[in-house]
Amino acid sequence: EIVLTQSPATLSLSPGERATLSCRASQSVRGYLAWFQQKPGQAPRLLIYDASNRATGIPARFSGSGSGTDFTLTISSLEPEDFAVYYCQQRSNWRWTFGQGTKVEIK
Amino acid sequence: QVQLVESGGGVVQPGRSLRLSCAASGFTFSTYAVHWVRQAPGKGLEWVAVISYDGNNKYYADSVKGRFTISRDNPKNTLYLQMNSLRPEDTAVYYCATSMATADIWGQGTLVAVSS
Repeated sequence: EIVLTQSPATLSLSPGERATLSCRASQSVRGYLAWFQQKPGQAPRLLIYDASNRATGIPARFSGSGSGTDFTLTISSLEPEDFAVYYCQQRSNWRWTFGQGTKVEIK
Repeated sequence: QVQLVESGGGVVQPGRSLRLSCAASGFTFSTYAVHWVRQAPGKGLEWVAVISYDGNNKYYADSVKGRFTISRDNPKNTLYLQMNSLRPEDTAVYYCATSMATADIWGQGTLVAVSS
């Protein structure tokens, strides 16, 4: 099983600040890494697929980078609606796995 | 409208069974692999199972292997998860999900609570 480790567990920032979230895989997932946003009581929402491609309808302030085992999600300037939990997910094979999540909270 | 809608959740005693359904609409269901993903209360996302577009390939998480069975009925545009020998640690919101070229479709989830 491919294990994904996200850091930090919690990120305390103010609106307008830049957020940088990390995800490390236990083995190469090539470019098959996705990022999700989840708010309380809601299903996860795909933000980024294939490491760096924004999903349909996702604002340009969200960007992804990386390949192999190290990946980053960047939110260039936090909006009030961006405070949520973010998960990375690998889909390099049939058996998806998820990171444990990073909570982005208001400082 | 492209969507997945889960149903069938509820409260069930340990050791009993439950079958979840996921109804697809607005897209060609029969051409996509579909997954079940669950989320225990206050916890992260856990992948459960996947079935290929034609039903010929199925894979399970170790935590449910031998107890859960994924299946699909393409003419009915419906995905299923048969859950047997349920345990308290199976308590979670269960989502069905599929990946398309530039977007995913996730259902709203159905809550399964295993408790005596």
